Amino acid sequence: ETGVTQSPTHLIKTRGQQVTLRCSSQSGHNTVSWYQQALGQGPQFIFQYYREEENGRGNFPPRFSGLQFPNYSSELNVNALELDDSALYLCASSFGTGGMIDYGYTFGSGTRLTVV
Amino acid sequence: AQSVTQLGSHVSVSEGALVLLRCNYSSSVPPYLFWYVQYPNQGLQLLLKYTSAATLVKGINGFEAEFKKSETSFHLTKPSAHMSDAAEYFCAVSGKNRDDKIIFGKGTRLHILP
Repeated sequence: ETGVTQSPTHLIKTRGQQVTLRCSSQSGHNTVSWYQQALGQGPQFIFQYYREEENGRGNFPPRFSGLQFPNYSSELNVNALELDDSALYLCASSFGTGGMIDYGYTFGSGTRLTVV
Repeated sequence: AQSVTQLGSHVSVSEGALVLLRCNYSSSVPPYLFWYVQYPNQGLQLLLKYTSAATLVKGINGFEAEFKKSETSFHLTKPSAHMSDAAEYFCAVSGKNRDDKIIFGKGTRLHILP
């Protein structure tokens, strides 16, 4: 089985621009969660998609938006980039959500976004 | 709401010595607890998880953790450190409801001294 793949691996954007990050979930998984990991910090939950619907959101502004496709892959979009958006963005896939699952979150290697 | 606190942002141990990484959790309901490891420029890898079965949980690479409800702790241990254990370690917590998400601590960087 394939794991979680994220693209691109690295990205440099200018403040005010928009960015789209992509995630292919592990085969058999129907849930994707996105996390932001700033330098020296733990991952912060952005939002989760379950069967193409948003299933919970963390404390992030609306300019962070997402999408999940019928094949359960996902995109994270960030508009009006700010310098503080510079971080490693991690995607994690799982089968089911919350207490429904045997808690296997498989993480991708992340996309390193630098905003200048 | 759940949260975890990892004590010590950096821990150094000698190769062959005991590894102890501390984690305390806060949860209004019985939690799921996890330890993840992150190597440089990589994503997170699950080391072990507690899901209310045995309180002593064994994971990969010789790591184990013990759930202590009275102390609200879930410390990670390994009897003998290896150079390859040098990495960032994250403790995480979740509730058991459908809408609960995994919440991570700030991490502890483990340094192994030769």
